[in-house]
Amino acid sequence: ETGVTQSPTHLIKTRGQQVTLRCSSQSGHNTVSWYQQALGQGPQFIFQYYREEENGRGNFPPRFSGLQFPNYSSELNVNALELDDSALYLCASRFGLNNEQFFGPGTRLTVL
Amino acid sequence: AQKVTQAQTEISVVEKEDVTLDCVYETRDTTYYLFWYKQPPSGELVFLIRRNSFDEQNEISGRYSWNFQKSTSSFNFTITASQVVDSAVYFCALSAISSGSARQLTFGSGTQLTVLP
Repeated sequence: ETGVTQSPTHLIKTRGQQVTLRCSSQSGHNTVSWYQQALGQGPQFIFQYYREEENGRGNFPPRFSGLQFPNYSSELNVNALELDDSALYLCASRFGLNNEQFFGPGTRLTVL
Repeated sequence: AQKVTQAQTEISVVEKEDVTLDCVYETRDTTYYLFWYKQPPSGELVFLIRRNSFDEQNEISGRYSWNFQKSTSSFNFTITASQVVDSAVYFCALSAISSGSARQLTFGSGTQLTVLP
């Protein structure tokens, strides 16, 4: 148990739709990162929020966006879903920028 | 840019055998962190170890041990007397200063370890 929770567990959407995934971090963790993990691959960094501001982004288009809230929860929003967006989406939280990240169980998104 | 290579896609061993998972990394930074995570079928990444670039001492934790060699840019992970519960995908990851202020993790592609009874 890492203390990081994600919802929903599974989600099925169709191409072109929009989706919001949610993450609840450990209390006190002011940094949350989101990763996309395609089947059979390692996680890829999407973006990170530190004290409610985006402070880093991977090679993902602007239709991937996020929010971080003062209560240690965060959201990942994906617009105009594409088939290739089908993946496991993981959030990770930590305190500060140099400590280890604690991952949630992920949300499995399927785009049909 | 950072890169992590885990050349072993799948490894299968019989219970009680020792197994080593290889990890080779690339970075231009002199300050960086290396990690190992375990991902069981449930999907959650479980943190195993973090090692900074200035500490080359090998580490042992129970049946787990890690061999960090800067000269070969390797950070290998050995499980001694493997057990069925060790079956999972194992990821090596790197975080470096040049990742930017986010210090995000760059993961390898993972090694699927199967321990047979």
